[in-house]
Amino acid sequence: QVQLVQSGAEVKKPGASVTLSCKASGYTFSNYAVHWVRQAPGQSLEWMGWINTGNGKTMYSQDFQGRLTITRDTPARTAYMELSSLRSEDTAVYYCARDYTIYDYWGQGTLVTVSS
Amino acid sequence: DIQMTQSPTSLYASVGDRVTITCRARQYIGTNLNWFQQKPGKAPNLLIHAAVNLQVGVPSRFSGSGSGTDFTLTITSLQSEDFATYFCQQTYSIPHTFGQGTKLESK
Repeated sequence: QVQLVQSGAEVKKPGASVTLSCKASGYTFSNYAVHWVRQAPGQSLEWMGWINTGNGKTMYSQDFQGRLTITRDTPARTAYMELSSLRSEDTAVYYCARDYTIYDYWGQGTLVTVSS
Repeated sequence: DIQMTQSPTSLYASVGDRVTITCRARQYIGTNLNWFQQKPGKAPNLLIHAAVNLQVGVPSRFSGSGSGTDFTLTITSLQSEDFATYFCQQTYSIPHTFGQGTKLESK
């Protein structure tokens, strides 16, 4: 069965960076895009960026330009999201999701807490 | 960015009710619209894709309609497990923006 399993919760200080992982199973990894979406406490969902897992090309929301890097390791069937220069407003649950338009499978989410 | 506006933002209903949630895009998005259900502490769950297509495994009491800028999610005969927050999302252009959510609560 299709699964996306994300890495565990992180606590970071302001100014630090965080790297999250999203490991896929149950399907051909390079056939489906992976998106990253986050949700601050009590808020709606915010699209961050996506990676074409076939060729590695990425696109990012302008809200994260310069701070966000999405990569993938195809043999490991894993996508990664690195967010730098963290601030308190980056405290949120971060999700990965599969497929360019359908978002049919999601990871369980990773809580990132940014606090001094 | 394409702004997505849902209404209402909160909704009270009873088991057995018919419920309608609307989503409006600020500009044309064709049928490039998804609907998700989210329960507390859980990831969003896809209900409808491409505005009208019921995702595999989703009960048939859920349906979607609309195209262009105006869309609707309808739940016929509401069940207790349907009390949750619902989000629309456009996938017409990057960034794939979401609505602000509609919280469906028990009356």
